[in-house]
Amino acid sequence: GAVVSQHPSRVICKSGTSVKIECRSLDFQATTMFWYRQFPKQSLMLMATSNEGSKATYEQGVEKDKFLINHASLTLSTLTVTSAHPEDSSFYICSAPRTRANYGYTFGSGTRLTVV
Amino acid sequence: DAKTTQPPSMDCAEGRAANLPCNHSTISGNEYVYWYRQIHSQGPQYIIHGLKNNETNEMASLIITEDRKSSTLILPHATLRDTAVYYCIVSLNTGTASKLTFGTGTRLQVTL
Repeated sequence: GAVVSQHPSRVICKSGTSVKIECRSLDFQATTMFWYRQFPKQSLMLMATSNEGSKATYEQGVEKDKFLINHASLTLSTLTVTSAHPEDSSFYICSAPRTRANYGYTFGSGTRLTVV
Repeated sequence: DAKTTQPPSMDCAEGRAANLPCNHSTISGNEYVYWYRQIHSQGPQYIIHGLKNNETNEMASLIITEDRKSSTLILPHATLRDTAVYYCIVSLNTGTASKLTFGTGTRLQVTL
């Protein structure tokens, strides 16, 4: 149980366009979703935290107008990379707390974004 | 959240036990120790977690020292599929309020 489905798994887009990444909790309600970014050979860096029905909280240095996060329902959170540039190319991963206490977090399978 | 220190890489022969250490000397009394692993180009996978007592599940065992300043993840019989980056994370277990801060992890290479 506690599966997060992330789509797309891989996307290539042109510079200046926008890309939307979706994360759905399939068998539980995710009131909170964490969004991470991972560059090659580096660790995961938390970008923002989204909460259902309220504004997302962004980590220091992350542009909220560039990385739009929407958490409109208890099962869906989206990250939109607006006006993408090559430096936004990265592996984006979402994560939600498991509903059962003490069971940690479940992660999506990740989205490889390449901006050309 | 307390910071963790892990060796950058380790090798293990297939079929042998892999023991991955983690130092978390600044851990506070209500912080849990979590272990996750990330296989190349996939999202992290939960392995195990604990507070004070040693824990075991179908994937691994977690040994936490009495002073809680370090822990060891044990994969009893490593296979090639266990090759991954293993992350040790300490975090408050307060559900939605907690966020996980990833360090650099240990890259475990399991070889024939």
